[in-house]
Amino acid sequence: EVQLVETGGGLIQPGGSLRLSCAASGFTISNNYMNWVRQTPGKGLEWVSVIYSGGGTYYADSVEGRFTISRDTSKNTLHLQMNSLRAEDTAVYFCARGRSNYFDYWGQGTLVTVSS
Amino acid sequence: DIQMTQSPSTLSASVGDRVTITCRASQSISSWLAWYQQKPGKAPKLLIYKASSLESGVPSRFSGSGSGTEFTLTISSLQPDDFATYYCLQYNTYWTFGQGTKVEF
Repeated sequence: EVQLVETGGGLIQPGGSLRLSCAASGFTISNNYMNWVRQTPGKGLEWVSVIYSGGGTYYADSVEGRFTISRDTSKNTLHLQMNSLRAEDTAVYFCARGRSNYFDYWGQGTLVTVSS
Repeated sequence: DIQMTQSPSTLSASVGDRVTITCRASQSISSWLAWYQQKPGKAPKLLIYKASSLESGVPSRFSGSGSGTEFTLTISSLQPDDFATYYCLQYNTYWTFGQGTKVEF
């Protein structure tokens, strides 16, 4: 059974850093492309970043240069390093597995709140 | 960037109703469109991919249609478990979601 479990969210001050993790089971993350998607009440669902099976990465313009996606294949875990956090980064962050360029399985999400 | 416009934003319906939700793309996305269902506090669940392909395990009362810029999700006979928010996703160029349609009683 495919499972994705995100951890690492919390309350952080503007300008701070946070690292999210997504532990995967039931499949091997390096054989798939993996994504981070965030959700806010105001902006809805927003794709954030992708890491392909070959290691290539892409980011939404809103996080380019501040966020870094990576994976630890030994632990079958996806990460999102978030630096220079802003109030507008406040959201529930989901990891999602890619299949044929859409997302088939999602984790339950982890809440990130950026506030002083 | 490709923009996705979903309508309506809220839909009031009753059990047994036929429900239709529309998603329009700002440019042609061929059939690269998926539909998701989300309930409060839960992750989105894949219903339809490639505009009209039903995901395994999803009830056949859900169907999708369309191509190019206009797409439709139809629930043929609304069931109590279907009260939720529905989102479209274009995956022709990167990924963009619609704003969501809340189906309520």
